[in-house]
Amino acid sequence: QLQLQESGPRLVKPSETLSLTCTVSGGSISSSSHYWGWIRQPPGKGLEWIGSFYYIGTTYYTPSLKSRVTISVDTSKNLFSLKLSSVTAADTAVYYCARHSSNYFLSYFDFWGQGTLVTVSS
Amino acid sequence: QSVLTQPPSVSGAPGQRITISCTGSGSNIGARYDVHWYQQLPGTAPKLLIFDNTNRPSGVPDRFSGSKSGTSASLAITGLQAEDEADYYCQSYDRSLSGHWVFGGGTKLTVL
Repeated sequence: QLQLQESGPRLVKPSETLSLTCTVSGGSISSSSHYWGWIRQPPGKGLEWIGSFYYIGTTYYTPSLKSRVTISVDTSKNLFSLKLSSVTAADTAVYYCARHSSNYFLSYFDFWGQGTLVTVSS
Repeated sequence: QSVLTQPPSVSGAPGQRITISCTGSGSNIGARYDVHWYQQLPGTAPKLLIFDNTNRPSGVPDRFSGSKSGTSASLAITGLQAEDEADYYCQSYDRSLSGHWVFGGGTKLTVL
């Protein structure tokens, strides 16, 4: 059974870089059948797609965060990571990693991690 | 401001039928991109509920159904049950500057 697990610091100071890792088990992030991505949800608010990658090395980012976001991959450890720089309190959210189908225009998120709350505060 | 617009809340009594709308535009739903729906129970991660407008993943009861027409989509729940109380989100692809994959703002379903 596919499982995704987010990990990383739960508290980040303003202006610093938020770093999270998603470890995948029960499936390969090198699969041609799926994208792998990050979604966040501020407390009491809705879902926001942050970015995704495809196994050939292509990355996609939401325009509003593109200048601050980097998604990297470690295929040897079957994990991928999120870095969000220059964070502010507005970046406080539950961060989810998820798998989505490789039909680019028709893609949906079929497996999600449990999510991790990251708070930006001094 | 979400690219896909959902009502903030809907409610219904047990056994009733409710619908949740998801209104988009010509750059997403109207451009014939599929709509997908997610259910988020309190304190948990979202779960795929409907994919490709009308399809249910294995294990999702047939009380849940989806439809799409023009620039809008709808999620219907029949035979409402207390455990259906959750937040529901639609999702699609958007070809404008809004980004690739976009979510609706979410709808809180209250079972009276």
